[in-house]
Amino acid sequence: AQTVTQSQPEMSVQEAETVTLSCTYDTSESDYYLFWYKQPPSRQMILVIRQEAYKQQNATENRFSVNFQKAAKSFSLKISDSQLGDAAMYFCAYSGPNNNDMRFGAGTRLTVKP
Amino acid sequence: EPEVTQTPSHQVTQMGQEVILRCVPISNHLYFYWYRQILGQKVEFLVSFYNNEISEKSEIFDDQFSVERPDGSNFTLKIRSTKLEDSAMYFCASLAVGSTDTQYFGPGTRLTVL
Repeated sequence: AQTVTQSQPEMSVQEAETVTLSCTYDTSESDYYLFWYKQPPSRQMILVIRQEAYKQQNATENRFSVNFQKAAKSFSLKISDSQLGDAAMYFCAYSGPNNNDMRFGAGTRLTVKP
Repeated sequence: EPEVTQTPSHQVTQMGQEVILRCVPISNHLYFYWYRQILGQKVEFLVSFYNNEISEKSEIFDDQFSVERPDGSNFTLKIRSTKLEDSAMYFCASLAVGSTDTQYFGPGTRLTVL
């Protein structure tokens, strides 16, 4: 079974600084998708960034980028120039090639200090 | 931008009662999903639905749960006889096959079982 592990229950960053959230996963598939979702206090799930496993290039979305290490099964999220609005729970998620389901990590609560 | 919508935003029910949670997926999406998140815990996959039938379900999705697409727009999750432990946030998601392979989540329904 696929598992997703986020080893950092909580992280803190100073406003305008950079923070990296860790995620590892386990799978026997060669083709799959990885995601980072943000969940603010409203509890809505907001897609931050996605990565297809067959792509070697790391995905980027403005201030958000990933470090995808397929061999190590690692998928970390880097947030640059952190803003107060970035404070939220961040979930790493894995989806297999058929996209029949999605497995989530336990989440990392990010605090941004002014 | 098209969005997944869910109603109601908050449902309070008595233990043993039936509840129906409603979702309107994005109109051109073909795959539909339900997830739940017990307060303070990770998001858990319940069921995926394609071509008017369940394509995959988790061990959580037992006989008290059912899903239906009663018309061309709604996608519902029914819990036949609610239990206290069914109290959670329930998220609907939908997926468009092809361009992005990304599941888009609705805002969630908070279910409280008393």
